[in-house]
Amino acid sequence: GDSVTQMEGPVTLSEEAFLTINCTYTATGYPSLFWYVQYPGEGLQLLLKATKADDKGSNKGFEATYRKETTSFHLEKGSVQVSDSAVYFCALSDYSGGYQKVTFGTGTKLQVIP
Amino acid sequence: EAGVAQSPRYKIIEKRQSVAFWCNPISGHATLYWYQQILGQGPKLLIQFQNNGVVDDSQLPKDRFSAERLKGVDSTLKIQPAKLEDSAVYLCASSTRKGLVSNEQFFGPGTRLTVL
Repeated sequence: GDSVTQMEGPVTLSEEAFLTINCTYTATGYPSLFWYVQYPGEGLQLLLKATKADDKGSNKGFEATYRKETTSFHLEKGSVQVSDSAVYFCALSDYSGGYQKVTFGTGTKLQVIP
Repeated sequence: EAGVAQSPRYKIIEKRQSVAFWCNPISGHATLYWYQQILGQGPKLLIQFQNNGVVDDSQLPKDRFSAERLKGVDSTLKIQPAKLEDSAVYLCASSTRKGLVSNEQFFGPGTRLTVL
């Protein structure tokens, strides 16, 4: 079945540092890929998504490129801020039995220190 | 546009007691999901509704968990009886149009359940 593997956290960075959170996936079909973010005390919300190979999703300075050849969707940001401290979830959406099925990774906690 | 509403936000019960969670999705969203998120893990799908029909409940522990979505709108998730390992955050999410893998999910704030 489908699966998502992302790097374990927590990741601790100083403000303005470069961020990479690795995500790889296995899927039988042609999935869409997502990054969701969960800020402390809040629900998950979509950060960015990509729906086909070589697509780049971007939002709030974060980027991720759908790499079919390496089955990866790594999240990057050039300069993190304290407000980026959150848990980041990589997810894929695929068809299963005729309907959309979403599989999440385990999450990576990011802590940005001033 | 109002988001996904869930209640209660927190619940503490003794093992073997019953508990129910309520979710009101975004108006017009056909698909509704219930997830269980154990501390330090990603959300695990429990049940998925398309309008008021179940399309996936393969990971729902049916001996103790049940869910319904009346009239294709609100949904309730029940645990009866609860076990210690049910301590988790229960997330409700909804999404629009049927069947598109690119659909974004909109999540509620979750209900944090503690079973003592």
